[in-house]
Amino acid sequence: DQQVKQNSPSLSVQEGRISILNCDYTNSMFDYFLWYKKYPAEGPTFLISISSIKDKNEDGRFTVFLNKSAKHLSLHIVPSQPGDSAVYFCAASHISGSARQLTFGSGTQLTVLP
Amino acid sequence: DSGVTQTPKHLITATGQRVTLRCSPRSGDLSVYWYQQSLDQGLQFLIQYYNGEERAKGNILERFSAQQFPDLHSELNLSSLELGDSALYFCASSATGTVTEKLFFGSGTQLSVL
Repeated sequence: DQQVKQNSPSLSVQEGRISILNCDYTNSMFDYFLWYKKYPAEGPTFLISISSIKDKNEDGRFTVFLNKSAKHLSLHIVPSQPGDSAVYFCAASHISGSARQLTFGSGTQLTVLP
Repeated sequence: DSGVTQTPKHLITATGQRVTLRCSPRSGDLSVYWYQQSLDQGLQFLIQYYNGEERAKGNILERFSAQQFPDLHSELNLSSLELGDSALYFCASSATGTVTEKLFFGSGTQLSVL
């Protein structure tokens, strides 16, 4: 059972436009959400996070929105740049025993066209 | 460069064999995580260690085992390998092991079981 779902395997946008990557989750216990970015032949790198007490977090060109009632979060990239082309993973966490575990989605390949 | 080192980068072996994947965390990080990424799948959490002790366990098969040594490096042992074990295995580290911290990922070990 996939608790974190990224239903769009790929997304193409034009340079300078907005990229919107979506993520849905099913576990209402999740209380912390993150986005990681992955380039080919590299490991994922942290991009931005949001706690369930907020509905928006912004860091430069990247903004994450959280809609708890819909169990949905999205990552907005404005303006998109060719260097943003990568696989984006959504991840969520909840307390499990004495530790927190991250559950990742399957990723969305973003291609920003020049 | 995340500071996390994984060796080897590529590993080709046959079914039934046993392999060891190695991970050196970032300097100062006490927690190590292992993730598996199969084709078109998200990162599946396998196991977490903190300062030599197992802290959390995910969907890790009984054929797989891991440990973290006193110098904080970690090894993931995969035995009785099957074709389905072919995947990209990532190691990540963080300072204290709470998931609200950023995880720093290595570039992964690509395992091919033939």
